[in-house]
Amino acid sequence: NAGVTQTPKFQVLKTGQSMTLQCAQDMNHEYMSWYRQDPGMGLRLIHYSVGAGITDQGEVPNGYNVSRSTTEDFPLRLLSAAPSQTSVYFCASSYDRGRDYGYTFGSGTRLTVV
Amino acid sequence: AQSVTQPDIHITVSEGASLELRCNYSYGATPYLFWYVQSPGQGLQLLLKYFSGDTLVQGIKGFEAEFKRSQSSFNLRKPSVHWSDAAEYFCAVGARNRDDKIIFGKGTRLHILP
Repeated sequence: NAGVTQTPKFQVLKTGQSMTLQCAQDMNHEYMSWYRQDPGMGLRLIHYSVGAGITDQGEVPNGYNVSRSTTEDFPLRLLSAAPSQTSVYFCASSYDRGRDYGYTFGSGTRLTVV
Repeated sequence: AQSVTQPDIHITVSEGASLELRCNYSYGATPYLFWYVQSPGQGLQLLLKYFSGDTLVQGIKGFEAEFKRSQSSFNLRKPSVHWSDAAEYFCAVGARNRDDKIIFGKGTRLHILP
C-alpha cells in the first residue's frame, strides 16, 4: 500500500495563477481532509469529505475548492493564488468512525505564492 | 463544534527526564482524542488515540495519554525522553457526529537538552 500520496511536493506559483494539488489514497478510506500548516497556527482544516460525492467546508475554506468523485481521490484547487496561501498543505484520510478512526497523513505539498 | 487548546508552545526537558504535554478540549460529549507527532520537515504520525473504555491509552514510542473527562483533558506523557523525541506534538479532537471533522491544536514544540 502506498498510503496517502500527494503531488507535487513543491510548487511555486505567481499571484493569480490557479493550480490543483493532488491527493490519492489506496486504503479504501471513506474520510479525507485537507489541512494547511502555518508557523504558530497548527493545522487548520480547509475542506473535508465523508465519502464520494460529499464535501464540506472546514475552518479556512476561502480561495479553495474540492471535489470527491471517487473514494480514492480528493484534489484541492486553488482558484486564484494569493501570497496568503503560501503554506504547507497536508492531505489525510481515515476509515469511518470506529476503532480504526484516525487520520493517515500524506507527506505534504510546500506551496509558495510570489 | 469542537475545539482544542495546547497551552504550551514550547517545552524543554533534559534527556532522560519525564515529559507531560498538556491538551484541553471543548466538546459537548465524549470525543475522539488523538496525539500526533511531526518531526522537522516530515508529515504527521499518529502516536495514540482515545476511542472509549480505559482512560489510560498506550501508544507507540513509549508514549501514553490519560483522558480525564472532569478536566476535559488528554495529556501526553513519557517517563523518560530520548533526544529523538524532539519534534512538534499535536493534540486533536474528533466528534462522534458523522458530519463532523478532526480539529487540531496549534502544537507544542519539544526541545531536548543533552
